[in-house]
Amino acid sequence: EAQVTQNPRYLITVTGKKLTVTCSQNMNHEYMSWYRQDPGLGLRQIYYSMNVEVTDKGDVPEGYKVSRKEKRNFPLILESPSPNQTSLYFCASSQLTGGWGNQPQHFGDGTRLSIL
Amino acid sequence: KQEVTQIPAALSVPEGENLVLNCSFTDSAIYNLQWFRQDPGKGLTSLLLIQSSQREQTSGRLNASLDKSSGRSTLYIAASQPGDSATYLCAVTSGTYKYIFGTGTRLKVLA
Repeated sequence: EAQVTQNPRYLITVTGKKLTVTCSQNMNHEYMSWYRQDPGLGLRQIYYSMNVEVTDKGDVPEGYKVSRKEKRNFPLILESPSPNQTSLYFCASSQLTGGWGNQPQHFGDGTRLSIL
Repeated sequence: KQEVTQIPAALSVPEGENLVLNCSFTDSAIYNLQWFRQDPGKGLTSLLLIQSSQREQTSGRLNASLDKSSGRSTLYIAASQPGDSATYLCAVTSGTYKYIFGTGTRLKVLA
């Protein structure tokens, strides 16, 4: 089954304790992306990757890191989490076949992070 | 800077009604526009994708239109059903390889 898998689905942690949210897709997609969703603000893009070893900032990258060492995986790293990073996080992927933006994005089920 | 707005923020309709959800964007230089559905506790599911050269796309009871010059898109849902209850989001892409989302319309279809 084609899917985007995020882990963990839920996490409660404390300020300053490094954490990683994993994202994996089995569709051989080139494009992968991370979003955060906050009430009243909608989804905002954190980082995206066009392919292996190619990443770039979205609109809200501060406090986050990513890496793309393999095509299927795109982990999101919070090196020193703070309470304002409490949010619902989504990973997504899409093909780049036919040009940028011509294929739909596929989303994971989300990761709810609470930073105390 | 591209901004995407969805009005209304919430909508409640009786079952069977035809309805229109609106999405507007400030910069007409988009590559495509995508409509998504989000169920509570779930990720987003892509409904329709309209490329910048297209005027509309249809899938079953859903029809999405795009008017780039006026910066607007509409999602038309025919003969609404309680199972259509969800939050509907639109997103646009541009040459910067980013997606910009609207804040969504929360739809409730009453049986």
